[in-house]
Amino acid sequence: SQQGEEDPQALSIQEGENATMNCSYKTSINNLQWYRQNSGRGLVHLILIRSNEREKHSGRLRVTLDTSKKSSSLLITASRAADTASYFCATDRITGTASKLTFGTGTRLQVTL
Amino acid sequence: KAGVTQTPRYLIKTRGQQVTLSCSPISGHRSVSWYQQTPGQGLQFLFEYFSETQRNKGNFPGRFSGRQFSNSRSEMNVSTLELGDSALYLCASNDPPNTEAFFGQGTRLTVV
Repeated sequence: SQQGEEDPQALSIQEGENATMNCSYKTSINNLQWYRQNSGRGLVHLILIRSNEREKHSGRLRVTLDTSKKSSSLLITASRAADTASYFCATDRITGTASKLTFGTGTRLQVTL
Repeated sequence: KAGVTQTPRYLIKTRGQQVTLSCSPISGHRSVSWYQQTPGQGLQFLFEYFSETQRNKGNFPGRFSGRQFSNSRSEMNVSTLELGDSALYLCASNDPPNTEAFFGQGTRLTVV
């Protein structure tokens, strides 16, 4: 089952604008990761944020994590047409020595010229 | 370093047949996980293998099985295929305890 929801489900912006996507989850987590997926292909790992971190940056990406609200956001600044894709958050809880990822429902981002 | 490799990329099978998908993890990664992606259910965890042992299993019927070899390569098998098994099957590898997971391009399975 899905860990939670992402919103918006779809987002359309113009090139150069910023895009913000939100992710909510239901249970305590160890880490939260964001992925990008182009047209039903594989998932590309974007960034991992640990439960004891509040903010992380990678290039044009900024991720925040609020464990009290069980939510995270992904900000893409100065978007480009190449950023057009679906974006997913994924959480993991380590139980014993095993771990698995539970994915959100995803946000479809369309960046137009 | 080469990424996660999945073969084949595309498959078309008939109901009732069985299928085997293959995944080669990133060199040095000892854990391999499998996920199913469908438009209706999204991305769902199938199972995880570590050191040739299944450590975690999702909520899928017994028709879905897998194994891992000593070189960490993994295979996933689906028997008695149903139309609903049509999906993108994704494999991910990571190096525990690091849970940063990297995915392959997936195998698109179509059951007709």
